[in-house]
Amino acid sequence: GQQLNQSPQSMFIQEGEDVSMNCTSSSIFNTWLWYKQEPGEGPVLLIALYKAGELTSNGRLTAQFGITRKDSFLNISASIPSDVGIYFCAGQTLTGANNLFFGTGTRLTVIP
Amino acid sequence: GAVVSQHPSRVICKSGTSVKIECRSLDFQATTMFWYRQFPKQSLMLMATSNEGSKATYEQGVEKDKFLINHASLTLSTLTVTSAHPEDSSFYICSARVAGGNTIYFGEGSWLTVV
Repeated sequence: GQQLNQSPQSMFIQEGEDVSMNCTSSSIFNTWLWYKQEPGEGPVLLIALYKAGELTSNGRLTAQFGITRKDSFLNISASIPSDVGIYFCAGQTLTGANNLFFGTGTRLTVIP
Repeated sequence: GAVVSQHPSRVICKSGTSVKIECRSLDFQATTMFWYRQFPKQSLMLMATSNEGSKATYEQGVEKDKFLINHASLTLSTLTVTSAHPEDSSFYICSARVAGGNTIYFGEGSWLTVV
C-alpha cells in the first residue's frame, strides 16, 4: 500500500513551545486527516481536511491541506505535557474503497 | 459520538492455534471496515478492507488464508489469525466507515501475543 512520509520522526520540546510537523506523498489525496495515538490505544481523529488549501483549527491545533494535494501540515501551539504521543497523518485517495493510508508518524515528547 | 469496540483488547495464544478478534460499531452501521496491523514504533499498515456481505480485499503481501476476515453484519467484522506464530504478535486495529458517509472511526486496538 501507499505510505506517506512524515517529518520529523520525533521531537523533544519544552512545554509552551510550538510544534510543526508535515506529511508528504507522491500521490494525490482528496482528504487529509491527522490522528493522535497514545500507547496501547487506537488512533483518535484530531482534524480532517477536505479541500486543497484548507486551513482548519481545533483548539491549539491547526492543520493545512496543501495546494498540490500531496502534503499537509500540523501545528500545535503552546504545547502541554498531555500533547505527548504519536501523531499520524492519513490520506484518502480519489478512487478505491476510501481506506486510509497512514504516515510514518511523529513521536512528540513534551518536557515540563 | 460514534464508537468502535474491539474485543479482546489483549490476547495471548499458543503457537499453532487460531485466535479471533472482533470489531463492532456500537451506534452506527458500517458497510466497510478496515483491519490494520501495527508493530512497535511503526505506523499502521492496512491489511484488508472488509465489505459487509462480500469477500474482503487484501493488501499485497497479506495472506488471505492466514488472516480470515468475515463481515457478516453491518456492525460486526471479525479477523481470525489462523495457525498463529510468534511473528504474528502485533497490535491489530480496526476501523469502520459510517454507511453512506466518509467518516471513519477507529477501535481501541487488540494486542496479540503468540507464545
